[in-house]
Amino acid sequence: AQSVSQHNHHVILSEAASLELGCNYSYGGTVNLFWYVQYPGQHLQLLLKYFSGDPLVKGIKGFEAEFIKSKFSFNLRKPSVQWSDTAEYFCAVIDTNTGNQFYFGTGTSLTVIP
Amino acid sequence: EPEVTQTPSHQVTQMGQEVILRCVPISNHLYFYWYRQILGQKVEFLVSFYNNEISEKSEIFDDQFSVERPDGSNFTLKIRSTKLEDSAMYFCASSERMRHRSNQPQHFGDGTRLSIL
Repeated sequence: AQSVSQHNHHVILSEAASLELGCNYSYGGTVNLFWYVQYPGQHLQLLLKYFSGDPLVKGIKGFEAEFIKSKFSFNLRKPSVQWSDTAEYFCAVIDTNTGNQFYFGTGTSLTVIP
Repeated sequence: EPEVTQTPSHQVTQMGQEVILRCVPISNHLYFYWYRQILGQKVEFLVSFYNNEISEKSEIFDDQFSVERPDGSNFTLKIRSTKLEDSAMYFCASSERMRHRSNQPQHFGDGTRLSIL
């Protein structure tokens, strides 16, 4: 079965610092990749997704992610974080060979200090 | 923007009792899902539902769980006899019809926090 690893469990940054959150998946076939954000007390929201094409994907709120197939990675980046980016970030993968089920990473908690 | 809605937002139930979590998916969506997130752990897939039947389910989704689409708008998750370990946040999601090799992103509801006492 597919598995998703997010290596950073808790990240603390000052405002304006750059952010990179790691995400690696285990399956080497055709996958669709997503990053979701969960603000405190709120539901999961889609930040960005990759299905095919340009491996550098731009999402909402200034986030972007780069799909590197050779490294099975889909890292999330933002050049300058804000206090409002404090949230839990989840990487998710759909293995297109096995269906429509999402496999989620364990999440990374981001705290941005003003 | 249309949203997936879930009720109630918080459900407190005695162990052994039956609980029904309700979801109203986005109206033109045809695929429906339930996930759960135990506190401090990752979001886990429970079940997917299409064309009035379960299309996939995980090991977590045992005989105590069932799903139903009782009418044209609601999608429910029933836990027959709740256990302490069922305490979690339960998320409903929906997506448009899946085209070949072009999955639509799933839209999630706010979640129902289920507390078993």
